Amino acid sequence: KNEVEQSPQNLTAQEGEFITINCSYSVGISALHWLQQHPGGGIVSLFMLSSGKKKHGRLIATINIQEKHSSLHITASHPRDSAVYICATSEYNFNKFYFGSGTKLNVKP
Amino acid sequence: NAGVTQTPKFQVLKTGQSMTLQCAQDMNHEYMSWYRQDPGMGLRLIHYSVGAGITDQGEVPNGYNVSRSTTEDFPLRLLSAAPSQTSVYFCASKGDYYSGANVLTFGAGSRLTVL
Repeated sequence: KNEVEQSPQNLTAQEGEFITINCSYSVGISALHWLQQHPGGGIVSLFMLSSGKKKHGRLIATINIQEKHSSLHITASHPRDSAVYICATSEYNFNKFYFGSGTKLNVKP
Repeated sequence: NAGVTQTPKFQVLKTGQSMTLQCAQDMNHEYMSWYRQDPGMGLRLIHYSVGAGITDQGEVPNGYNVSRSTTEDFPLRLLSAAPSQTSVYFCASKGDYYSGANVLTFGAGSRLTVL
C-alpha cells in the first residue's frame, strides 16, 4: 500500500496569490494524479503525470520521482479555485489507486 | 454524454438492512471501481473490476459485495448494513491499461447513512 501524504490540510489565500500544494508518497509508482473535488462533491481529474511537469491554464503540476514528491501550483488564484485538491498514486498496472486526504483551498476575493 | 451515473444520491438505512448502490457508465470502460470517502481520510478502494466477469478486492472490501455481468454496470451490495458503513461512496471508471486511458472518471457520489 502506498502512503500518500498531502500538505497543507487547509489553505486560505487572497485572490491573485500563488498557491502550492504538496504531495509525498512512500513507494514507487506508475503515475501520480491530481484531482479536484468541488464543494458540491463532484471529483474531476486534473493531471496525470509520471515525470517532469504539466500545465493546464493556471494550474501547473510537477513531480520529482527520486524524492517521491509532487506539487500542484495555482497561479493568480481566483475564488472559483476554492475546492479540495486530492493527490493520488497508481500502481504499475493502474488497477489500484491510493489517495491523499486532500487539501481544502479557500480563495477569498 | 452521461459518463458515470450513480444511484441513489442519498439513502438512509437501518442496521442490518441490505441495499445496492448502482453504477453505470456509457464510455465502454473496462475498468470500474468503488471507493468510500470518510471525513479526514482519503478515498479508499473497496472493490474493482477490469472487465465483465472479473472483480477483485481493494483496501476495505469487508461488508461489501460486487459483481460485473456487463461492461456498463458495476453494482455495490451491502448485505447487512452497519453504522461503520456510513460514508459517501464514489464509483469511478477508466479505459484499459494498454490503451493508455488511465485517468479516472467519477460518478457524483452516493451519501449513505446507516442508523
